[in-house]
Amino acid sequence: SQQGEEDPQALSIQEGENATMNCSYKTSINNLQWYRQNSGRGLVHLILIRSNEREKHSGRLRVTLDTSKKSSSLLITASRAADTASYFCATDLNFGNEKLTFGTGTRLTIIP
Amino acid sequence: EAQVTQNPRYLITVTGKKLTVTCSQNMNHEYMSWYRQDPGLGLRQIYYSMNVEVTDKGDVPEGYKVSRKEKRNFPLILESPSPNQTSLYFCASSLISVGHYEQYFGPGTRLTVT
Repeated sequence: SQQGEEDPQALSIQEGENATMNCSYKTSINNLQWYRQNSGRGLVHLILIRSNEREKHSGRLRVTLDTSKKSSSLLITASRAADTASYFCATDLNFGNEKLTFGTGTRLTIIP
Repeated sequence: EAQVTQNPRYLITVTGKKLTVTCSQNMNHEYMSWYRQDPGLGLRQIYYSMNVEVTDKGDVPEGYKVSRKEKRNFPLILESPSPNQTSLYFCASSLISVGHYEQYFGPGTRLTVT
């Protein structure tokens, strides 16, 4: 089963609104990353948050991490049509292996 | 330009015909990895390599082989492809540890096995 699960699976909002996506995971992690994928293309790294961090910002992106609830959220503020993409969280497990496990993604559609 | 390249980008083949998908990165990254992406399943790791001559299985290694003879190259080999290996494949690399550094992804290879 997947280590990370995003919620919702799909989200449609009007341009200019904020979009929030959530990621839950099952076991302790070192770090959590968020990636964006435009349709059929390679993934692009957005942000990395370490297990000892609670919040991180990058431009219009805000990521939070709650290790007690084993969850993270990605907030995109003032959405634009170009933000239409799938968003994935990825976790590395906290027992030394070097694998990154991806969730199934949230499909975000921004309506102009 | 820093990048990960994959070839071919599209491939249609028949069951049992050996094929190789090449992957190359120009960033002197130590870590490289292969993923497959299927609808509803997200990305699943096939194999990864932490350095030259060091490879390890991911979550779905059956039916695949890899090699890492040079730092920049990490080819994916399907010795006897089957229809259930029809998928979108991505190669990725990162500086050292995959958990602590972002991964750079290639553009993908869409493989169809008939």
